[in-house]
Amino acid sequence: DAMVIQNPRYQVTQFGKPVTLSCSQTLNHNVMYWYQQKSSQAPKLLFHYYDKDFNNEADTPDNFQSRRPNTSFCFLDIRSPGLGDAAMYLCATKGTFGGTDTQYFGPGTRLTVL
Amino acid sequence: QQQVKQSPQSLIVQKGGISIINCAYENTAFDYFPWYQQFPGKGPALLIAIRPDVSEKKEGRFTISFNKSAKQFSLHIMDSQPGDSATYFCAASRGSSNTGKLIFGQGTTLQVKP
Repeated sequence: DAMVIQNPRYQVTQFGKPVTLSCSQTLNHNVMYWYQQKSSQAPKLLFHYYDKDFNNEADTPDNFQSRRPNTSFCFLDIRSPGLGDAAMYLCATKGTFGGTDTQYFGPGTRLTVL
Repeated sequence: QQQVKQSPQSLIVQKGGISIINCAYENTAFDYFPWYQQFPGKGPALLIAIRPDVSEKKEGRFTISFNKSAKQFSLHIMDSQPGDSATYFCAASRGSSNTGKLIFGQGTTLQVKP
């Protein structure tokens, strides 16, 4: 069963038109992450939540915001998408693997900006 | 100090051969080293992970070798198969932290030729 679910899998938006990506997790973990991954690059952490405590990475643009209404759900809001924001957006949470907490990723949302 | 350096950037191996991907880190506070496998259009999937108290961990055809003094670790894929063709990311984190923030290597694209 999927542990991290992302919707939609593909999202097309227009330049400057706000878009929201959603993520849910079934592991009931208190930590959730949002990453941006561009082609042929490693995932880049945008921010994470520890419970409701929001932690922004220093180089995450203000254009990116997030909401976490409850433990299971987390949203990524891009207020004014630019062409450079076209990427795969990955949500992750933590779970136990071999007795150690580790990160589990969702399948991602591919964002296209026209 | 926060970087994880991964090499090679790309790798071509014949079916049945051994694929070797190397990573190096600087921050001695890192104590958890996972490897992720990512297929095109999918999220990264945890493959295997190691802690620095062991020098080797094997799961099926996948082995991590860890050299604490050299601050290096590597992934070995034995009997490589075309289905192993994917991008592989090493990562490091301070597993003891509440959030377990991952620092990723740059990624290696593996192609296994039939």
